[in-house]
Amino acid sequence: DIQMTQSPSSLSASVGDRVTITCRASQSISSYLNWYQQKPGKAPKLLIYAASSLQSGVPSRFSGSGSGTDFTLTISSLQPEDFATYYCQQSYSTPPGFGQGTKLEIK
Amino acid sequence: EVQLVESGGGLVKPGGSLRLSCAASGFTFSSYSMNWVRQAPGKGLEWVSSISSSSSYIYYADSVKGRFTISRDNAKNSLYLQMNSLRAEDTAVYYCARDRTQLPMGYNWFDPWGQGTLVTVSS
Repeated sequence: DIQMTQSPSSLSASVGDRVTITCRASQSISSYLNWYQQKPGKAPKLLIYAASSLQSGVPSRFSGSGSGTDFTLTISSLQPEDFATYYCQQSYSTPPGFGQGTKLEIK
Repeated sequence: EVQLVESGGGLVKPGGSLRLSCAASGFTFSSYSMNWVRQAPGKGLEWVSSISSSSSYIYYADSVKGRFTISRDNAKNSLYLQMNSLRAEDTAVYYCARDRTQLPMGYNWFDPWGQGTLVTVSS
């Protein structure tokens, strides 16, 4: 199975900050990498698919990059509604594993 | 509006069984693969099982293989998860999620997700 490792596990930031979350795969997954946002008590929501494609309706301050084993999710200017937990997920092979999550908190 | 609504969760004793349902609406259910993903309290996301549009291809996580059975009824726009021999570690919110695929590369992702149904395995 492909292991997905996110860093950091938690992050404190302020409104307006630029934030980057990293996801590393245990083997090359090309661009088969997705990012989700989850708020407490809610279902995950797709943000980015195929490493860098922005899901329709998602604000342009979110962006994804990377290929192979190293990927990043960047939020260019944090908004109050962005404080949540973020997960990466590989879709290169079954089982489609998730990273352990990055909790983004208000500083 | 595309919508997925799970039901069937509840409290069950270890060794017991439960059947989850996911009702789909707002899209052509029979054209999409579907998934179950779970989340233990305070923990991350774990993929559980997937089923192709015509039920030809079915996959399970090792943690549930031999105990859980995924199925679907395209005439009823419904997805199911039969869970047997339940263990305490199966306690989680179970989400159903639609599979989306982009050709020709075959990129795929989960969108949307239902609101989830809580399964608690405890004596």
